[in-house]
Amino acid sequence: DAKTTQPTSMDCAEGRAANLPCNHSTISGNEYVYWYRQIHSQGPQYIIHGLKNNETNEMASLIITEDRKSSTLILPHATLRDTAVYYCIVRPIKAAGNKLTFGGGTRVLVKP
Amino acid sequence: DTAVSQTPKYLVTQMGNDKSIKCEQNLGHDTMYWYKQDSKKFLKIMFSYNNKELIINETVPNRFSPKSPDKAHLNLHINSLELGDSAVYFCASSPRTSGTLAKNIQYFGAGTRLSVL
Repeated sequence: DAKTTQPTSMDCAEGRAANLPCNHSTISGNEYVYWYRQIHSQGPQYIIHGLKNNETNEMASLIITEDRKSSTLILPHATLRDTAVYYCIVRPIKAAGNKLTFGGGTRVLVKP
Repeated sequence: DTAVSQTPKYLVTQMGNDKSIKCEQNLGHDTMYWYKQDSKKFLKIMFSYNNKELIINETVPNRFSPKSPDKAHLNLHINSLELGDSAVYFCASSPRTSGTLAKNIQYFGAGTRLSVL
């Protein structure tokens, strides 16, 4: 699976948009970009995924660059409850056993 | 109702003991997983089962033995516990492993914090 690089941590202000970058320069054509988050003392939670088009759901938006070498997760109006570790994961369309490989993630602190 | 439930939430035990962690999902999913999150917070997959059959075994010591009595349950039994087994163990489930997996989202339980003394 392609590796990802994320900032170790970032702060953002409550009510403002949080933009979380992820580099995946070795991504291949059959790999999707997934985002999960882990709130303290909870299990990881799926947020969004995409292949090459930008995606939006009720939680977030995912912007993938045209060359697919990087992406940005956007939380449009961050709340205190969005404080969590956010994981960017790339995975083949047909990953053996549907395995998810988690990296270190970005620790996001939403401040009042 | 909790979609993926694990018991117990906390487990404190002595080295050398044998313990089990239970996991149940009520989502009707075919595939279940065990992940381990160590003190450095890295999450690593241990096992994956699809319809009670082992799909992934990520170089986990033989002391760890998953058991799937049916596709809604995947229990983890650990023999001869060691200090290094202390971690948070997460169970997860997803609809399937075959076919296109783009929307094959994994749903995680709340975790079991295992402390080996």
